[in-house]
Amino acid sequence: QVQLVQSGAEVKKPGASVKVSCKASGYTFTSYGISWVRQAPGQGLEWMGWISAYNGNTNYAQKLQGRVTMTTDRSTSTAYMELRSLRSDDTAVYYCAGDYCTNGVCYPGVWGQGTTVTVSS
Amino acid sequence: QSVLTQPPSASGTPGQRVTISCSGSSSNIGSNYVYWYQQLPGTAPKLLIYRNNQRPSGVPDRLSGSKSGTSASLAISGLRSEDEADYYCAAWDDSLSGWVFGGGTKLTVL
Repeated sequence: QVQLVQSGAEVKKPGASVKVSCKASGYTFTSYGISWVRQAPGQGLEWMGWISAYNGNTNYAQKLQGRVTMTTDRSTSTAYMELRSLRSDDTAVYYCAGDYCTNGVCYPGVWGQGTTVTVSS
Repeated sequence: QSVLTQPPSASGTPGQRVTISCSGSSSNIGSNYVYWYQQLPGTAPKLLIYRNNQRPSGVPDRLSGSKSGTSASLAISGLRSEDEADYYCAAWDDSLSGWVFGGGTKLTVL
């Protein structure tokens, strides 16, 4: 079955960087894109951006432009999200979500289990 | 402040029908499909409704979605205790060129 498995929890100091991984299985990795969505404690969902696993094209949320980089490794069917210059308000659960596509329209369909990133001095 | 507006809470008793609203604008709900996700406590979101009113396999038909203009709604009939969760609407926003979500609605089964 389609599955996304993310890396484990991280604790970082302000100003540091974090890189979260998302390993896909159960489908052809390069056929679909991956979105990254985060959820601060007790808050709603915030879309961070999207990467095509086919050609690496990216689309980042304007708010995070310059601080976030999304990449993929097709040899291991893994997507990565790196966030730099971490601040306390980056503390959140970070999710990857694989595209489902129907009739040419794609949307976040299958979600990873989430990775908790805590930013604290 | 979320781009899509949802009521923070909703409630009902077992067997009742409840609806959760989601309000947006012409750049998101007004011109694109609406999606609904369920998030049980401590778990990742799960897709419930896609393309306004389509259910993925495994989602029971007592859940339904609808859209009119710049608003959408999720209806749950025959409410059950396992429906207690947070529900989020989502849509692509043409102005922002990205996905936008509602703030979430916490559904309580009394």
